[in-house]
Amino acid sequence: DTEVTQTPKHLVMGMTNKKSLKCEQHMGHRAMYWYKQKAKKPPELMFVYSYEKLSINESVPSRFSPECPNSSLLNLHLHALQPEDSALYLCASSQGKQSNTGELFFGEGSRLTVL
Amino acid sequence: AQSVSQHNHHVILSEAASLELGCNYSYGGTVNLFWYVQYPGQHLQLLLKYFSGDPLVKGIKGFEAEFIKSKFSFNLRKPSVQWSDTAEYFCAVMNNAGNMLTFGGGTRLMVKP
Repeated sequence: DTEVTQTPKHLVMGMTNKKSLKCEQHMGHRAMYWYKQKAKKPPELMFVYSYEKLSINESVPSRFSPECPNSSLLNLHLHALQPEDSALYLCASSQGKQSNTGELFFGEGSRLTVL
Repeated sequence: AQSVSQHNHHVILSEAASLELGCNYSYGGTVNLFWYVQYPGQHLQLLLKYFSGDPLVKGIKGFEAEFIKSKFSFNLRKPSVQWSDTAEYFCAVMNNAGNMLTFGGGTRLMVKP
Protein backbone atom coordinates (compact mmCIF):
# COMPACT_ATOMS: atom_id res chain seq x y z
CA ASP A 1 0.00 0.00 0.00
CA THR A 2 1.09 3.53 -0.65
CA GLU A 3 0.69 6.52 1.69
CA VAL A 4 -0.44 8.71 -1.18
CA THR A 5 -4.13 8.19 -1.82
CA GLN A 6 -5.72 9.00 -5.14
CA THR A 7 -9.41 9.06 -6.01
CA PRO A 8 -11.11 7.95 -8.08
CA LYS A 9 -9.13 4.93 -9.25
CA HIS A 10 -11.01 4.91 -12.54
CA LEU A 11 -12.85 7.72 -14.33
CA VAL A 12 -14.68 7.77 -17.64
CA MET A 13 -15.76 11.13 -18.93
CA GLY A 14 -17.05 12.76 -22.07
CA MET A 15 -15.31 15.61 -23.81
CA THR A 16 -17.79 18.15 -22.44
CA ASN A 17 -17.67 16.98 -18.83
CA LYS A 18 -16.01 18.63 -15.87
CA LYS A 19 -14.42 16.30 -13.36
CA SER A 20 -11.67 16.34 -10.74
CA LEU A 21 -8.96 13.99 -9.60
CA LYS A 22 -7.97 14.10 -5.95
CA CYS A 23 -4.79 13.26 -4.10
CA GLU A 24 -4.07 13.20 -0.39
CA GLN A 25 -1.00 12.54 1.73
CA HIS A 26 -0.46 12.76 5.47
CA MET A 27 3.31 12.37 5.60
CA GLY A 28 3.88 16.07 6.19
CA HIS A 29 5.36 16.46 2.73
CA ARG A 30 5.48 19.99 1.31
CA ALA A 31 5.93 19.17 -2.37
CA MET A 32 3.28 17.50 -4.48
CA TYR A 33 3.29 16.49 -8.12
CA TRP A 34 1.05 15.45 -10.97
CA TYR A 35 2.45 13.08 -13.58
CA LYS A 36 0.78 11.66 -16.68
CA GLN A 37 1.61 8.13 -17.82
CA LYS A 38 0.48 6.73 -21.15
CA ALA A 39 0.53 2.99 -21.74
CA LYS A 40 4.05 1.55 -22.00
CA LYS A 41 5.58 5.01 -21.50
CA PRO A 42 7.38 6.63 -18.55
CA PRO A 43 5.61 9.10 -16.29
CA GLU A 44 5.78 12.68 -17.61
CA LEU A 45 5.77 15.61 -15.21
CA MET A 46 2.80 17.97 -15.47
CA PHE A 47 2.81 20.17 -12.36
CA VAL A 48 4.79 20.68 -9.17
CA TYR A 49 3.52 22.41 -6.06
CA SER A 50 6.03 23.47 -3.43
CA TYR A 51 4.69 24.76 -0.14
CA GLU A 52 1.22 25.03 -1.71
CA LYS A 53 2.44 27.24 -4.54
CA LEU A 54 2.66 26.17 -8.15
CA SER A 55 6.36 26.04 -8.95
CA ILE A 56 6.46 24.08 -12.20
CA ASN A 57 3.97 23.85 -15.06
CA GLU A 58 5.38 21.77 -17.87
CA SER A 59 3.45 23.56 -20.63
CA VAL A 60 0.30 21.65 -19.82
CA PRO A 61 -2.88 22.66 -21.73
CA SER A 62 -5.31 24.83 -19.79
CA ARG A 63 -7.95 22.11 -19.87
CA PHE A 64 -5.95 20.69 -16.95
CA SER A 65 -6.14 22.95 -13.90
CA PRO A 66 -4.28 22.02 -10.71
CA GLU A 67 -5.20 23.18 -7.25
CA CYS A 68 -3.49 22.75 -3.90
CA PRO A 69 -5.97 23.72 -1.16
CA ASN A 70 -3.55 22.82 1.64
CA SER A 71 -0.34 20.95 2.24
CA SER A 72 -2.08 17.55 2.29
CA LEU A 73 -4.34 17.86 -0.73
CA LEU A 74 -3.79 18.18 -4.44
CA ASN A 75 -6.53 18.32 -7.05
CA LEU A 76 -6.50 18.19 -10.81
CA HIS A 77 -9.56 19.74 -12.42
CA LEU A 78 -10.45 18.45 -15.86
CA HIS A 79 -12.57 20.25 -18.44
CA ALA A 80 -13.13 19.77 -22.16
CA LEU A 81 -10.59 16.97 -22.42
CA GLN A 82 -9.70 15.13 -25.60
CA PRO A 83 -9.55 11.36 -26.15
CA GLU A 84 -5.75 11.60 -26.33
CA ASP A 85 -5.79 12.76 -22.71
CA SER A 86 -6.74 9.24 -21.68
CA ALA A 87 -3.95 8.02 -19.42
CA LEU A 88 -2.95 7.09 -15.90
CA TYR A 89 -2.58 10.23 -13.79
CA LEU A 90 -0.14 9.82 -10.95
CA CYS A 91 0.14 11.95 -7.87
CA ALA A 92 3.36 12.02 -5.86
CA SER A 93 4.73 13.83 -2.86
CA SER A 94 8.14 14.52 -1.39
CA GLN A 95 9.48 16.24 1.68
CA GLY A 96 10.09 19.45 -0.22
CA LYS A 97 12.96 21.53 -1.47
CA GLN A 98 14.59 21.75 1.92
CA SER A 99 14.94 18.01 2.11
CA ASN A 100 18.01 16.24 0.90
CA THR A 101 16.36 12.90 0.26
CA GLY A 102 14.47 13.85 -2.88
CA GLU A 103 12.49 10.63 -2.88
CA LEU A 104 9.04 10.85 -4.42
CA PHE A 105 6.23 8.73 -3.02
CA PHE A 106 3.65 7.81 -5.63
CA GLY A 107 -0.02 7.02 -5.45
CA GLU A 108 -1.59 4.17 -7.39
CA GLY A 109 -2.94 6.56 -9.96
CA SER A 110 -6.29 7.50 -11.47
CA ARG A 111 -6.95 5.85 -14.78
CA LEU A 112 -8.81 8.31 -16.98
CA THR A 113 -10.70 7.44 -20.15
CA VAL A 114 -12.06 10.27 -22.29
CA LEU A 115 -14.76 9.27 -24.73
CA ALA B 1 17.67 20.22 -19.00
CA GLN B 2 18.15 16.75 -17.65
CA SER B 3 17.45 13.54 -19.56
CA VAL B 4 17.72 9.82 -18.95
CA SER B 5 18.21 6.99 -21.43
CA GLN B 6 17.49 3.34 -20.83
CA HIS B 7 18.76 1.27 -23.67
CA ASN B 8 17.04 -2.00 -22.90
CA HIS B 9 13.33 -1.71 -23.57
CA HIS B 10 12.45 -5.36 -23.02
CA VAL B 11 14.46 -7.98 -21.19
CA ILE B 12 13.51 -11.63 -20.78
CA LEU B 13 15.43 -13.79 -18.33
CA SER B 14 15.09 -17.15 -16.70
CA GLU B 15 15.00 -17.42 -12.93
CA ALA B 16 18.43 -17.33 -11.28
CA ALA B 17 19.96 -15.43 -14.20
CA SER B 18 21.89 -12.27 -13.48
CA LEU B 19 20.43 -8.89 -14.39
CA GLU B 20 21.97 -5.64 -15.51
CA LEU B 21 19.83 -2.78 -16.80
CA GLY B 22 21.56 0.17 -18.37
CA CYS B 23 20.87 3.80 -17.51
CA ASN B 24 22.67 6.88 -18.81
CA TYR B 25 21.83 10.41 -17.79
CA SER B 26 22.52 13.88 -18.99
CA TYR B 27 22.58 16.72 -16.49
CA GLY B 28 24.95 19.61 -15.87
CA GLY B 29 24.63 19.82 -12.11
CA THR B 30 25.07 17.53 -9.13
CA VAL B 31 23.04 14.45 -9.81
CA ASN B 32 20.64 12.61 -7.63
CA LEU B 33 19.76 9.29 -9.25
CA PHE B 34 17.00 6.80 -8.61
CA TRP B 35 15.66 3.47 -9.74
CA TYR B 36 11.91 2.94 -9.40
CA VAL B 37 9.99 -0.26 -10.03
CA GLN B 38 6.38 -0.64 -11.14
CA TYR B 39 4.97 -4.13 -10.58
CA PRO B 40 1.91 -5.03 -12.66
CA GLY B 41 -1.08 -3.09 -11.38
CA GLN B 42 0.85 -1.44 -8.57
CA HIS B 43 2.23 2.00 -7.82
CA LEU B 44 5.77 3.14 -8.51
CA GLN B 45 8.10 2.16 -5.68
CA LEU B 46 11.63 3.26 -4.94
CA LEU B 47 14.26 0.54 -5.36
CA LEU B 48 17.31 2.59 -4.50
CA LYS B 49 18.82 6.04 -4.77
CA TYR B 50 22.19 7.75 -5.04
CA PHE B 51 22.94 11.21 -3.65
CA SER B 52 26.62 11.17 -2.70
CA GLY B 53 29.27 8.98 -1.11
CA ASP B 54 29.80 5.35 -2.00
CA PRO B 55 28.98 4.99 -5.71
CA LEU B 56 27.74 1.44 -5.15
CA VAL B 57 24.32 1.65 -3.59
CA LYS B 58 22.23 -1.20 -2.32
CA GLY B 59 18.46 -1.21 -2.43
CA ILE B 60 15.57 -3.43 -1.57
CA LYS B 61 15.05 -7.00 -2.75
CA GLY B 62 18.73 -7.61 -3.49
CA PHE B 63 19.10 -4.88 -6.10
CA GLU B 64 22.14 -2.65 -6.35
CA ALA B 65 23.33 0.08 -8.68
CA GLU B 66 26.67 1.65 -9.44
CA PHE B 67 27.16 5.33 -10.18
CA ILE B 68 30.01 5.84 -12.64
CA LYS B 69 30.47 9.57 -13.07
CA SER B 70 32.90 9.30 -15.99
CA LYS B 71 30.37 7.28 -17.95
CA PHE B 72 27.28 9.21 -16.82
CA SER B 73 25.82 5.84 -15.93
CA PHE B 74 23.78 4.34 -13.11
CA ASN B 75 23.21 0.70 -14.04
CA LEU B 76 20.96 -1.55 -12.01
CA ARG B 77 22.08 -5.07 -11.12
CA LYS B 78 20.83 -8.16 -9.37
CA PRO B 79 22.88 -11.38 -9.19
CA SER B 80 19.93 -13.77 -9.37
CA VAL B 81 16.46 -12.74 -10.49
CA GLN B 82 13.19 -14.27 -9.38
CA TRP B 83 9.86 -14.61 -11.13
CA SER B 84 8.52 -11.96 -8.75
CA ASP B 85 10.95 -9.41 -10.21
CA THR B 86 8.79 -9.24 -13.33
CA ALA B 87 7.99 -5.54 -13.58
CA GLU B 88 8.87 -2.31 -15.32
CA TYR B 89 11.98 -0.55 -14.11
CA PHE B 90 12.55 3.19 -14.43
CA CYS B 91 15.77 5.08 -13.96
CA ALA B 92 15.29 8.72 -12.96
CA VAL B 93 17.34 11.85 -12.29
CA MET B 94 16.47 14.68 -9.92
CA ASN B 95 17.55 18.26 -10.54
CA ASN B 96 19.54 20.36 -8.07
CA ALA B 97 16.46 22.16 -6.82
CA GLY B 98 15.02 18.81 -5.85
CA ASN B 99 11.69 19.47 -7.50
CA MET B 100 11.88 17.85 -10.90
CA LEU B 101 12.26 14.09 -11.32
CA THR B 102 12.75 12.99 -14.92
CA PHE B 103 12.25 9.37 -15.88
CA GLY B 104 13.92 7.26 -18.50
CA GLY B 105 11.81 5.32 -20.97
CA GLY B 106 11.64 2.25 -18.77
CA THR B 107 12.70 -1.37 -19.14
CA ARG B 108 10.11 -4.09 -19.07
CA LEU B 109 11.58 -7.18 -17.40
CA MET B 110 9.98 -10.58 -17.71
CA VAL B 111 11.38 -13.43 -15.65
CA LYS B 112 10.38 -16.90 -16.77
CA PRO B 113 9.89 -19.48 -14.02
